[in-house]
Amino acid sequence: NAGVTQTPKFRILKIGQSMTLQCTQDMNHNYMYWYRQDPGMGLKLIYYSVGAGITDKGEVPNGYNVSRSTTEDFPLRLELAAPSQTSVYFCASSSRTGGQGGYTFGSGTRLTVV
Amino acid sequence: KNEVEQSPQNLTAQEGEFITINCSYSVGISALHWLQQHPGGGIVSLFMLSSGKKKHGRLIATINIQEKHSSLHITASHPRDSAVYICAVPTITQGGSEKLVFGKGTKLTVNP
Repeated sequence: NAGVTQTPKFRILKIGQSMTLQCTQDMNHNYMYWYRQDPGMGLKLIYYSVGAGITDKGEVPNGYNVSRSTTEDFPLRLELAAPSQTSVYFCASSSRTGGQGGYTFGSGTRLTVV
Repeated sequence: KNEVEQSPQNLTAQEGEFITINCSYSVGISALHWLQQHPGGGIVSLFMLSSGKKKHGRLIATINIQEKHSSLHITASHPRDSAVYICAVPTITQGGSEKLVFGKGTKLTVNP
C-alpha cells in the first residue's frame, strides 16, 4: 500500500504564480486534511474534507482552494502565490474523525515562494 | 478551542538515557496522538491513546485524562530516536467536525 502520496516534494514558485499540490490516498479514508508547517510552529489546518464532494475551511484557508471529487484525491490549489505561503505542506488522511481514527501523513511538499 | 503545550522544546540526551516528553492540553478529549517527525520531514503516527498506557518497543505513552496530561517515554535511547515528537489533540471546528490541534513539538537529539 502506498498510503498517502504527495507530489511534488519540492517546488519554487515566483510571486503571483499558481500551482496545485497533489494528494492521493489508497486506504479508502473518508477524512482528508491539508496542513502547513512553519518553522517553530505547530501544524496548522488549511482545509479538510469529510468525504467526496464535501470540504471546509480550517484555521488558515486564505490564499488556498481545495476540491474533493473522489475519495482518493484531495488537491490543494495556490492562487497568486505570496512569500507568506513559503512553508512545508502535509496532506493526511484518517478513517474516522480526527480524534478516533489514526492519521496517515504524506511525505510533505516543501514550497518556496520568491 | 483546545490549547496544547509541550515540554521541553528541545532535549539533548546521551545514548542509553531514559527520555520523557510532556504534553498538556486545556479541554477534555476523546483521544490523544503522538507523532514523530524525522529530519527528512516525514511524519509518522506513533500512538493514539484515550486512557492508560500504550507500549511499542522502547516507546511508552501514558495519559491522565483527569489531569489533561500525557507523557511519551523512550527507554534506552539511541541516536536513531533523534527526531521531533509532536503531541496532537482533537477539537471541534466551527462546522462541527473534529480536527487535530498540534503542539509545537519537542526536538530530541540523542548523542552517541
